Amino acid sequence: GIQVEQSPPDLILQEGANSTLRCNFSDSVNNLQWFHQNPWGQLINLFYIPSGTKQNGRLSATTVATERYSLLYISSSQTTDSGVYFCAGDAGGTSYGKLTFGQGTILTVHP
Amino acid sequence: IAGITQAPTSQILAAGRRMTLRCTQDMRHNAMYWYRQDLGLGLRLIHYSNTAGTTGKGEVPDGYSVSRANTDDFPLTLASAVPSQTSVYFCASSDSYGRSGYNEQFFGPGTRLTVL
Repeated sequence: GIQVEQSPPDLILQEGANSTLRCNFSDSVNNLQWFHQNPWGQLINLFYIPSGTKQNGRLSATTVATERYSLLYISSSQTTDSGVYFCAGDAGGTSYGKLTFGQGTILTVHP
Repeated sequence: IAGITQAPTSQILAAGRRMTLRCTQDMRHNAMYWYRQDLGLGLRLIHYSNTAGTTGKGEVPDGYSVSRANTDDFPLTLASAVPSQTSVYFCASSDSYGRSGYNEQFFGPGTRLTVL
């Protein structure tokens, strides 16, 4: 299966700062998603972004499928952005729908 | 609309006991999945079902079984629990039927299971 590498593993920010999280895939990826796991453990869908760029408020994401990576941008960070950010995707074919997750980026935003 | 519900929220279980984790979705999604999340790790797929009546194995299926008798329910059974099955279990679903190449998954709140 595909390997998913996320960077950085940890990130500490002051409120108001901007950040970029990266997700690299070892092979072509389908159904790429970004999630936020909040401090209560809930997995919240941020973006379904197999290719291209999407924006939702202060968050945006870009996937360059041909180069096998995706970026998540967080602007004007808030303390409520704290938590773990995961990217996930599948390899398609017989692996269609079988998401492989990265190890996550732990984000801490201080007031 | 509840989305995906899981029960129980948490459970402490003696090793060797049988346990069924319940998952119900009300979105009429065709596909459902079970993942486990261990401390410090991302989620790993246990079993999946592309449609009612079919199931398949994921990355870490050993020690677990599933069934999919209808569209809404996808229970996960641990026949004889072992301490290494201590984890947080997430159920997910997606509406991928007839939508070639599309599979966005939505997750339930999780079940925290401790096996002693």
